[in-house]
Amino acid sequence: DTGVSQDPRHKITKRGQNVTFRCDPISEHNRLYWYRQTLGQGPEFLTYFQNEAQLEKSRLLSNRFSAERPKGSFSTLEIQRTEQGDSAMYLCASSPRGQGGYGYTFGSGTRLTVV
Amino acid sequence: GESVGLHLPTLSVQEGDNSIINCAYSNSASDYFIWYKQESGKGPQFIIDIRSNMDKRQGQRVTVLLNKTVKHLSLQIAATQPGDSAVYFCAERDDNTGKLIFGQGTTLQVKP
Repeated sequence: DTGVSQDPRHKITKRGQNVTFRCDPISEHNRLYWYRQTLGQGPEFLTYFQNEAQLEKSRLLSNRFSAERPKGSFSTLEIQRTEQGDSAMYLCASSPRGQGGYGYTFGSGTRLTVV
Repeated sequence: GESVGLHLPTLSVQEGDNSIINCAYSNSASDYFIWYKQESGKGPQFIIDIRSNMDKRQGQRVTVLLNKTVKHLSLQIAATQPGDSAVYFCAERDDNTGKLIFGQGTTLQVKP
């Protein structure tokens, strides 16, 4: 396990379609985070899990967004009825509990384009 | 080397010069700060961190300075190399949740 993996790397979808992204964290990390990054901006927090429990959701996460981490390992982020404003890079990160620097590892992201 | 007192979206430096990238943070209660480097098509990569009980920390070719009075961070890169070209972000960490709050990025361009 060499890092955080995200799949797919790129996704182009038509407005109104549903999309699902997957994140595989570093195996021993019990915290998993989702962020969204638009062009020219820093990543913005969406939600995070400690093991399988979703502990916080940002106001950015509308009711069209849902995230799961069913067994405390990989996580999925689903966007229903996509809109053009959902176009962004979706980043996943994982960390051991209590770590925020060197142990906090980001994946390469999934770039979503809604046409 | 180049230095800026305020945040600029882009910083262009000559290879071999020193670079200084500035960042303002929002929460005076934040305890932990991190600098990230982000290359095109990749996620942010950890560079260096600092706790609020310190005002300076040095790594390999990088130094972070923290001024809590004005809520300001800076990243100094010595002898800037072409491989340093990227977007740099500072972030403050929420102690309870571990979530990161990112500042504005600075694009560093290194001229050969």
